[in-house]
Amino acid sequence: EVLLVESGGGLVQPGGSLRLSCVASGFTVSSSSVSWVRQAPGKGLECVSVIYGGRSTYYADSVKGRFTISRDNSKNTLYLQMDSLRAEDTAVYYCARDISWRQFDYWGQGTLVTVSS
Amino acid sequence: QSALTQPASVSGSPGQSITISCTGTSSDVGGYNYVSWYQQHPGKAPKFMIYDVSSRPSGVSNRFSGSKSGNMASLTISGLQAEDEADYYCSSYTSNNTLYVVFGGGTKLTVL
Repeated sequence: EVLLVESGGGLVQPGGSLRLSCVASGFTVSSSSVSWVRQAPGKGLECVSVIYGGRSTYYADSVKGRFTISRDNSKNTLYLQMDSLRAEDTAVYYCARDISWRQFDYWGQGTLVTVSS
Repeated sequence: QSALTQPASVSGSPGQSITISCTGTSSDVGGYNYVSWYQQHPGKAPKFMIYDVSSRPSGVSNRFSGSKSGNMASLTISGLQAEDEADYYCSSYTSNNTLYVVFGGGTKLTVL
């Protein structure tokens, strides 16, 4: 059974940093494409980053230069390092597996990031 | 990235059918057969409902169906049930950004 479990969210001041984790089971992250998708309170879904099986990484313009996606194959875990956080980064962050052509078949339960002073 | 356009809300009575539209461009919905739909109940993660425009993942009720014509995709739910009340999001592969995915703004389905 495929399972994704996020952690690491919390309250952080503007300009601060957080590292989110997503532990995967039931599949191998090193051979899959996995994305971080966020949802601001009361808003829609926005993909902010993806890491492909070949290690290529991409980012939304809104987070480029501030967020870094990575993975630890030995732990089958995905990470999102978030620096220089802004109020507009406040959202629930989901990790999601890409089954093909940017279609997401499994999602984690989400972790809430709140950026506020 | 510009979002795909969905109606903010739709409603229907139990047993009826409803359709949610998702309008994009030739760079996304119209150019690729990689449209997917997600159901999201309040406080829950999105659930994968439709992929490749009209395919259903294992375990998804056949009351849910997808289609596409030109730059517009549609999700139809037949035999509406109370548990179908949720937010629905479409997404599409796109050539317009380096993440290659764009989502719709979401549609709130109310079962009357």
